Order: sequence, then C-alpha cells, then structure tokens
Amino acid sequence: NAGVTQTPKFQVLKTGQSMTLQCAQDMNHEYMSWYRQDPGMGLRLIHYSVGAGITDQGEVPNGYNVSRSTTEDFPLRLLSAAPSQTSVYFCASSGTEFFRYTFGSGTRLTVV
Amino acid sequence: SQKIEQNSEALNIQEGKTATLTCNYTNYSPAYLQWYRQDPGRGPVFLLLIRENEKEKRKERLKVTFDTTLKQSLFHITASQPADSATYLCALDGNNRLAFGKGNQVVVIP
Repeated sequence: NAGVTQTPKFQVLKTGQSMTLQCAQDMNHEYMSWYRQDPGMGLRLIHYSVGAGITDQGEVPNGYNVSRSTTEDFPLRLLSAAPSQTSVYFCASSGTEFFRYTFGSGTRLTVV
Repeated sequence: SQKIEQNSEALNIQEGKTATLTCNYTNYSPAYLQWYRQDPGRGPVFLLLIRENEKEKRKERLKVTFDTTLKQSLFHITASQPADSATYLCALDGNNRLAFGKGNQVVVIP
C-alpha cells in the first residue's frame, strides 16, 4: 500500500545510546518532515527536507540529525539519547503543492 | 512569536448536533490552512485544505471557514456521529513547512 512507513513502532533506549528511526515513502513526494508529539505540546517540527540532498532544521532540532540521500528515505538519528527525547515521532511526506502531508503511524520512543 | 491556538478543552457533543472548533493564529500570513484528524495511537490524517482567497470549503459533513482578517478558521462537523470522536488539528504553512496547533478533542456522545 502506498504511504509512509516508519520503523520501529516501539523502542526503548538507555540514556546515551544512539539509534536511527527509519522513514520511507513510495509516493515520490519531494517534501519530508519529522515531528515529535508530546502531551500538551502538539506536533513540533524537528527537521525537514524539500528534496534529496537538502535538509533544514525545524523548531526542535537539537540532539537529532537527518540526511536525505534518496527521495524515498528520510532517517532520523538520535546521537546520544536523553530522557527528554521520550516522545512519539512521526514522519510525514508531501508533494510540492500545499504541503498536504501523509503521516506514518509513528514510533513510540522511551529513553530510560 | 508565531502561535496557532486551539481550545485545549475537549468538546463533548450530542450525536446529531454540529461540532464547531476554532483555530486562531498570530504572526502568520498563510497561503492556506489545513485540518487533520488524529485518532489515539495513530498519525494525523488530512481532511481539508482551504486557501487564503476562499471563504468556505465543504467535504461531506465537514465545513471549514477561513477569515484572514480575523486570523481565524472554524471547523464544523454537522450531524456528528460517535465515529467522529477524535482530535482535530489545525495546520498552517510558513517558510515552506507546516506548523500545527495542539489540537482539540471532540467526543460525540450517543
């Protein structure tokens, strides 16, 4: 099925560990974004990309890295996990008109 | 600073009535505004988009209005059903990216 695929769905990390959240879309969308969602905070933009090879920071980029080597994939790397990064992470993609985003099902990350 | 404000209190509404949600924004000049639906444990799902030069948009039982003078959008669910119970998010474009409000929960009581 066409859409945005995120893996893993759940993850528990220890403080200081690193990991990569995977995101792939098969709709040939140019725009891709990573959001985190915390209770009472809504969706906050971490990083985004307007095309392969182009990334930029969003509202809360510290502690995260991204790269966009292909149109399809947009992985999010946590460099050294901290408890403050406990959250639900959503990847989203959009065509070039109107940022009508398709979201993945999310990754629930707990850092202990 | 830029803000997108939605009511933090859940809206409890009787089945069959019209639910109305408000989205207010400051320090944005959006070319369009979007509404998404989010169910617990799932990602947001796009519902409607309205452009700055449109006053109203409809899709089945959903209606959105957009007043750029008031900097406000209203989202209506007519003839509400228990299946409409969810959180509804308002989103605005700004600097080539989409910013979201915190969402407003709707509970439709049978």
